[in-house]
Amino acid sequence: NAGVMQNPRHLVRRRGQEARLRCSPMKGHSHVYWYRQLPEEGLKFMVYLQKENIIDESGMPKERFSAEFPKEGPSILRIQQVVRGDSAAYFCASSPVRGEQYFGPGTRLTVT
Amino acid sequence: QKEVEQNSGPLSVPEGAIASLNCTYSDRVSQSFFWYRQYSGKSPELIMSIYSNGDKEDGRFTAQLNKASQYVSLLIRDSQPSDSATYLCAVNAGKAGGTSYGKLTFGQGTILTVHP
Repeated sequence: NAGVMQNPRHLVRRRGQEARLRCSPMKGHSHVYWYRQLPEEGLKFMVYLQKENIIDESGMPKERFSAEFPKEGPSILRIQQVVRGDSAAYFCASSPVRGEQYFGPGTRLTVT
Repeated sequence: QKEVEQNSGPLSVPEGAIASLNCTYSDRVSQSFFWYRQYSGKSPELIMSIYSNGDKEDGRFTAQLNKASQYVSLLIRDSQPSDSATYLCAVNAGKAGGTSYGKLTFGQGTILTVHP
């Protein structure tokens, strides 16, 4: 019974590079959520997706960040031209149509 | 005013005692309430959900909800050192059995330390 899967678990990027974070939801879950946890800060919602649709992106920075959940394959959170302030833990969660959200192990992004 | 507020702690209790964690929220449309446990360097783990006023018990954990007071709490009975973690309160507008309303809004978390 695989849980939410995220990869990579750790990602190091230099300033200006692109970061791609992947998330595969739990089996039977069709809703995916991305959250960011900055050092010494709480979890902040970024985006909520269903297959091929962005439902709520109210927490996404307006520039450099994008997310998708294609018909086939994992959900992708993409950060272009990373800056040091993007260093954080990025968590993906999934839920069934009706139900609680379960979190993946996270991707720790370090921007050098 | 923050949307979800928790005392950051740290809250320190002796082993075997009851740990009481509190959370208040500001959005009256909130319908679903969750407690997550997060160990240092790990991801949040769902431990309790509650949707109706009153108490909900699961093993050593009891969640309490009072929508009129916009207050939700978590009690941990017979606390163990392994319960030492950060406890996150989360709310969303989704109703139990209804379509997910998406985003969870989290409090800052309460650090709990259970000492032997």
